[in-house]
Amino acid sequence: RKEVEQDPGPFNVPEGATVAFNCTYSNSASQSFFWYRQDCRKEPKLLMSVYSSGNEDGRFTAQLNRASQYISLLIRDSKLSDSATYLCVVPHQGYSSASKIIFGSGTRLSIRP
Amino acid sequence: EAGVTQFPSHSVIEKGQTVTLRCDPISGHDNLYWYRRVMGKEIKFLLHFVKESKQDESGMPNNRFLAERTGGTYSTLKVQPAELEDSGVYFCASSLIPASEQYFGPGTRLTVT
Repeated sequence: RKEVEQDPGPFNVPEGATVAFNCTYSNSASQSFFWYRQDCRKEPKLLMSVYSSGNEDGRFTAQLNRASQYISLLIRDSKLSDSATYLCVVPHQGYSSASKIIFGSGTRLSIRP
Repeated sequence: EAGVTQFPSHSVIEKGQTVTLRCDPISGHDNLYWYRRVMGKEIKFLLHFVKESKQDESGMPNNRFLAERTGGTYSTLKVQPAELEDSGVYFCASSLIPASEQYFGPGTRLTVT
């Protein structure tokens, strides 16, 4: 089982729709979680951080379920500009302060007019 | 405030040659990370510096890769000798504290022929 798993998609939804995707992680000791978006041939850009149960920023909501070890990302009223790959990122925190960072393979989202 | 910068943006070298990639983190960020993305795969962690010290280098593929961060400012990643499978995009990121929000550079696209 991969340490961080995402549904690769692609998710193809109409503009204005609500879309959600999940990310599961295997390390129960992880304390922080991040969603990044990556546009084609660009670097990842931070979208949201999750340190407790969830976070909301405008049309974007991230929720953490520690019992089931997954993080979700919900996008409401989707825009054409939301088309990108969404990366789930989980620092692997364990017995030391080392923080190997684990990336999911990403979920591709395409918003159609 | 200047973001993370990387040099060069592209590099094409022959198998067996040496290449050195450079990363300048955001000023004041003690934590610096190197990642690699090969075609069709997820972004993979290579190593993490805290200031000039290697905190975690568990992701370095083999001893042909050498990362340094003398003085705790910019970092270099040397590949010597380069092999075909080293081709990919090498990202650098920095953060204020470990396992927190990271800011990525634009990446160096390395092609080994």
